[in-house]
Amino acid sequence: EIVLTQSPGTLSLSPGERATLSCRASQSVTNNYLAWYRQKPGQAPSLLISDASSRATGIPDRFSGSGSGTDFTLTISRLEPEDFAVYYCQQYGSPPNTFGQGTKLEIK
Amino acid sequence: QVQLQESGPGLVKPSETLSLTCGVSGYSISSGYHWGWIRQTPGKGLEWITSIYHSGTTYYNPSLKSRVTISVDTSRNQLFLSLSSVTAADTAVYYCARAGNTFYVSGSYTNWFGLWGQGVLVTVSS
Repeated sequence: EIVLTQSPGTLSLSPGERATLSCRASQSVTNNYLAWYRQKPGQAPSLLISDASSRATGIPDRFSGSGSGTDFTLTISRLEPEDFAVYYCQQYGSPPNTFGQGTKLEIK
Repeated sequence: QVQLQESGPGLVKPSETLSLTCGVSGYSISSGYHWGWIRQTPGKGLEWITSIYHSGTTYYNPSLKSRVTISVDTSRNQLFLSLSSVTAADTAVYYCARAGNTFYVSGSYTNWFGLWGQGVLVTVSS
């Protein structure tokens, strides 16, 4: 199965700053089938991005996804208070679906 | 709007079978989409367990396949998960979710998940 490694484990930033989160796959992700989720405390994950760069319905344009092959990035251009949460990537290019271990975005 | 709600016993004894139900409101399971179960533990993070299409197509994570059964009751609009021979390692928050686009890859299906239930904590302990 494809192993996803997210970095950094924790990212400390201030509101208004730019966040860059990384997700690296152990092998190439077919068709760049990669999704990003945000999990706020006490809540279920919610979809942000699919197909590496397509924002889900209702997701603001400060969220953008990029990358291909084995290296993918989630960028949040200007952090809002609700963005301080844990972010997960998930690949669906090869069965079984697998998730990264998460990046915690905390307030500096 | 579409909502998913997991339910089941919060405590299961080791070696017993964990059984969970996911009630779906605002959308008929038989109308489409694949539906799945995902769990979250502090140690292993998020782990996809299994998914199903209302026609009966099922697919499983190989790491759990021998112990897992997924099913649906379209008349009740419910999704079910059964996990047998549980151990402490199966202690987790279990989520049901509705998949978005689904792809047939290498003899099985893969998908992302656009809608999640709130999750239910299941503890395995004697």
